[in-house]
Amino acid sequence: EIVLTQSPGTLSLSPGEIATLSCRASQSVSSNYLAWYQQKPGQAPRLLIYGASSRATGIPDRFSGSGSGTGFTLTIGRLGPDDFAVYYCQQYSSSPYTFGQGTKLEI
Amino acid sequence: EVQLVQSGAEVKKPGESLKISCKGSGYDFSTWWIAWVRQTPGKGLEWIGIIFPADSDTRYSPSFQGQVTISADKSLSTAYLQWSSLKASDTAIYYCARHNYLIDWGQGTLVTVSS
Repeated sequence: EIVLTQSPGTLSLSPGEIATLSCRASQSVSSNYLAWYQQKPGQAPRLLIYGASSRATGIPDRFSGSGSGTGFTLTIGRLGPDDFAVYYCQQYSSSPYTFGQGTKLEI
Repeated sequence: EVQLVQSGAEVKKPGESLKISCKGSGYDFSTWWIAWVRQTPGKGLEWIGIIFPADSDTRYSPSFQGQVTISADKSLSTAYLQWSSLKASDTAIYYCARHNYLIDWGQGTLVTVSS
């Protein structure tokens, strides 16, 4: 089973700043089958990025994904008030399709 | 518009059985994987398993294998997650979602297991 470790656990930033979130895998994620999700309180998660770097439909270009193998990054540029949420990475290259433990982005 | 609509909240006692549902619309239900995800109160997301409705090919996380059963009825465009004997530790929100990377999500079903 691939274990995903996200860092930091909590990231405190201000609106307008840039956020960099990390997701490290215990073994290589083949074909870069890595996705990122955003979850706000009381809501279902929302897909942001798939294939490590492809934005999902309707996701603004302030959100970008990068990385390969065992190291992946989600970058959020020019943080807006709506971006403060919990972010999860997920690998879907090898069943079980595991999630990271999440990074809370707070003001 | 793709929609996944889940059944309503449930309150059960330990040892009881339960089957929750997820109905898809707006796409060809048979030809897209449906996954189930658990979220315990204040905790993160856990991948339970996935099913391909066209042939009922199903994969489970080892953590959930034997604890739950995933099924689907393609004629009803509905996927199911069921327990034969609930435990208090099954208390959580359960989400269904479409595809192996989870493009669309249901609204979640809160399952509360308490004596």
